[in-house]
Amino acid sequence: AIRMTQSPSSLSASTGDRVTITCRASQGISTYLAWYEQKPGKAPKLLIYASSTLQSGVPSRFSGGGSGTDFTLTISCLQSEDFATYYCQQYYTYPWTFGQGTKVEIK
Amino acid sequence: EVQLVESGGGLIQPGGSLRLSCAASGFTFSSFSMSWVRQAPGKGLEWVSYINSRSSSIDYADSVNDRFVMSRDNAENSLHLQMNSLRAEDTGVYYCVRDPGSTVLTPKPYFDNWGQGTLVIVSS
Repeated sequence: AIRMTQSPSSLSASTGDRVTITCRASQGISTYLAWYEQKPGKAPKLLIYASSTLQSGVPSRFSGGGSGTDFTLTISCLQSEDFATYYCQQYYTYPWTFGQGTKVEIK
Repeated sequence: EVQLVESGGGLIQPGGSLRLSCAASGFTFSSFSMSWVRQAPGKGLEWVSYINSRSSSIDYADSVNDRFVMSRDNAENSLHLQMNSLRAEDTGVYYCVRDPGSTVLTPKPYFDNWGQGTLVIVSS
């Protein structure tokens, strides 16, 4: 199975900061990479698919990039509602796997 | 508006069985592949099972293979997960999710709509 490793596992940031989360795949996955946001007690929400395509309705401060094994999720100007846990997921090959999550906390 | 509503969760003893259901509305259910994704308490996300729009392709995570059976009823806009021989490690919230990425022949599942989840607790 392809292992997805996110870094950091957690980070503290302030409103207005630029935040970047990295996701590394154990083998190449082209651009078959999605990002999700999950708030406590809620279902995850799709942010980005195909590595860099913003899901409809997602604010433009979110952006994604990368291909092969290395990917990033960037929040350009952190808002209060962005404090959450973020997961990457590869859908290149079975079994479809998620990263362990990155928790973004208030500094 | 897309809606996915799970039901069927609860407390069950190890070795027991449960059947989860998901009622879909607000979209053409028969056109989409679907999956179940679970989350153990305080843990990350784990894909569990996948079914294409015609039920001609069904896949399972190794952790549930030979114990769980996924099915769908396109006439009833419903999805099901029959869970047998349940173990403590199956405890968690189970989400029904829609997959816009896959075709009938090519699974490429990512998940654009999620239900609210149903909690399964396997404990004696």
